[in-house]
Amino acid sequence: DAKTTQPNSMESNEEEPVHLPCNHSTISGTDYIHWYRQLPSQGPEYVIHGLTSNVNNRMASLAIAEDRKSSTLILHRATLRDAAVYYCILRDLQGGSEKLVFGKGTKLTVNP
Amino acid sequence: GEEVAQTPKHLVRGEGQKAKLYCAPIKGHSYVFWYQQVLKNEFKFLISFQNENVFDETGMPKERFSAKCLPNSPCSLEIQATKLEDSAVYFCASSQSRRDDPNYGYTFGSGTRLTVV
Repeated sequence: DAKTTQPNSMESNEEEPVHLPCNHSTISGTDYIHWYRQLPSQGPEYVIHGLTSNVNNRMASLAIAEDRKSSTLILHRATLRDAAVYYCILRDLQGGSEKLVFGKGTKLTVNP
Repeated sequence: GEEVAQTPKHLVRGEGQKAKLYCAPIKGHSYVFWYQQVLKNEFKFLISFQNENVFDETGMPKERFSAKCLPNSPCSLEIQATKLEDSAVYFCASSQSRRDDPNYGYTFGSGTRLTVV
């Protein structure tokens, strides 16, 4: 079962920042927080991941709460191409299984 | 190549017919995963391989589904005697991860849409 909770949908305007929240209150010390997104008619795409510290890459930033029970994916300037379903996933590398467990994700709509 | 190639893109089968889907993982990736997406946003894990060995098959419906990853061949997912409920998009992903290496991500293919009529 998915161990994260996300809003079903969010809307943003083009060129504005977007903050996508994720709650993971049962996160363990060995869980990494991964984000994937699925654009229409495509497979999921890796976005970013982190453990404790905030992370930045060319696609997005990941802000992780101090207690690690929540995180926020930040798209600094949304474009129409960012319209997708965003999935927040916990990865436990000590759990013995490599698989990703997807929740329902957040459908992001970007308005022109 | 640097993409996971899935074929065919679309497959239509009559109920009771066999369906076979293929996946060529990224060269050098040792893990392959199959997922089924029935409704929008809902992914079901089916099976994973570490090289040609089954790593985790806890999601596989044992009766009609089978999968293989043989050396020097694309991986395959086969459904015997398809049912209407098997209609879905099937995604394959590959990863070069190791259990102790968190700095990786999965690469997914673009999926095969199976329609059972």
